[in-house]
Amino acid sequence: AQTVTQSQPEMSVQEAETVTLSCTYDTSESDYYLFWYKQPPSRQMILVIRQEAYKQQNATENRFSVNFQKAAKSFSLKISDSQLGDAAMYFCAYSLIISNFGNEKLTFGTGTRLTIIP
Amino acid sequence: GAVVSQHPSRVICKSGTSVKIECRSLDFQATTMFWYRQFPKQSLMLMATSNEGSKATYEQGVEKDKFLINHASLTLSTLTVTSAHPEDSSFYICSARDRIGRDRVYEQYFGPGTRLTVT
Repeated sequence: AQTVTQSQPEMSVQEAETVTLSCTYDTSESDYYLFWYKQPPSRQMILVIRQEAYKQQNATENRFSVNFQKAAKSFSLKISDSQLGDAAMYFCAYSLIISNFGNEKLTFGTGTRLTIIP
Repeated sequence: GAVVSQHPSRVICKSGTSVKIECRSLDFQATTMFWYRQFPKQSLMLMATSNEGSKATYEQGVEKDKFLINHASLTLSTLTVTSAHPEDSSFYICSARDRIGRDRVYEQYFGPGTRLTVT
């Protein structure tokens, strides 16, 4: 079974600074997706960034980027120029790819609560 | 972007009664919907995968007779908590998978969640 581990229950960063959230996972598969989701106080899950395992290039979305190390099974999220609106719970997630049906179910890590210090 | 709604957003029911939660994809067809449960300050735990027109697939440890899932159309899935007890109090979240995939990616869109309190 696949597992996702987030070893940092809480993190804090000064506004405008950079913070990195850690995530490791365990899988025997070679083709899969990794995700970072954000859950603000409203509890609405928001996709931050997605990485396909077969792509060597790290995904980026504006101020958000990942460091994907497939051999080490590591998938960290870097948030640059942190803003107050970035305060939320961040979940790392894994999904297996099944043939032509696309993503299978998501397996989530335990989350990291990010606080932005003004 | 694709929108998923849930109704109700909050519900309080008495122990022993049943409560139904609806999950709707508003602007796309979802052949697959997922139901998650989230306890306070914890992660999302998948309860079941719901496919349109067929029986739901439940995760290990989830009682299918207690958590009834129906996916009668491409835009609606329902979760019914039967004979609810206080330990069923939780935050329930659904997600819907877009039918049309791009580059092998079927995006999952999450609903805003339903807070269930059983007294």
